[in-house]
Amino acid sequence: KNEVEQSPQNLTAQEGEFITINCSYSVGISALHWLQQHPGGGIVSLFMLSSGKKKHGRLIATINIQEKHSSLHITASHPRDSAVYICAVDAGGTSYGKLTFGQGTILTVHP
Amino acid sequence: KAGVTQTPRYLIKTRGQQVTLSCSPISGHRSVSWYQQTPGQGLQFLFEYFSETQRNKGNFPGRFSGRQFSNSRSEMNVSTLELGDSALYLCASSPGRGNRYEQYFGPGTRLTVT
Repeated sequence: KNEVEQSPQNLTAQEGEFITINCSYSVGISALHWLQQHPGGGIVSLFMLSSGKKKHGRLIATINIQEKHSSLHITASHPRDSAVYICAVDAGGTSYGKLTFGQGTILTVHP
Repeated sequence: KAGVTQTPRYLIKTRGQQVTLSCSPISGHRSVSWYQQTPGQGLQFLFEYFSETQRNKGNFPGRFSGRQFSNSRSEMNVSTLELGDSALYLCASSPGRGNRYEQYFGPGTRLTVT
């Protein structure tokens, strides 16, 4: 079993829909990252969370440390949101800077 | 501030050759991490450097090595290239203080081994 599991692996939505991507992890962490990668592109960091909730524009990320679970929400989705979304955890301590990644969620938003 | 830069952006090498990739972190950042991304294995951690010291290493063979210079620039080297080394190699820099867990990714170097 992977240390970081994402669901769903693939997600198709119509423009305007509310989207949720989930991430569960099995190790203690100091931080969790949500990353975005467009086809053929590099990686952009969307959020870094250690507790609670963060919002940036139409994107919201939440984390529940006790349940070892995080969610990324996209409100009013748009075709430009089509990308791979990747959850990654940093266990901190002596493992600082060593991210462990989920397998990614491929999001396609149709106009 | 300029972002993380990686050079070269694209590289084609032949099996058995060696390659050196470079990463310049954001000014003031002292930690640099390297990752490999392949279609089959996804993203995997290679190593992390802080103030010229390797603090963590992933599960890769000894053909993969790296170093960090006093100006925090980092290089990684792959010797005796294999076809399976074809991948996108990403580096990420981190402040190392304050928001120490923030990671800023470079655009990557796409290595093709033929």
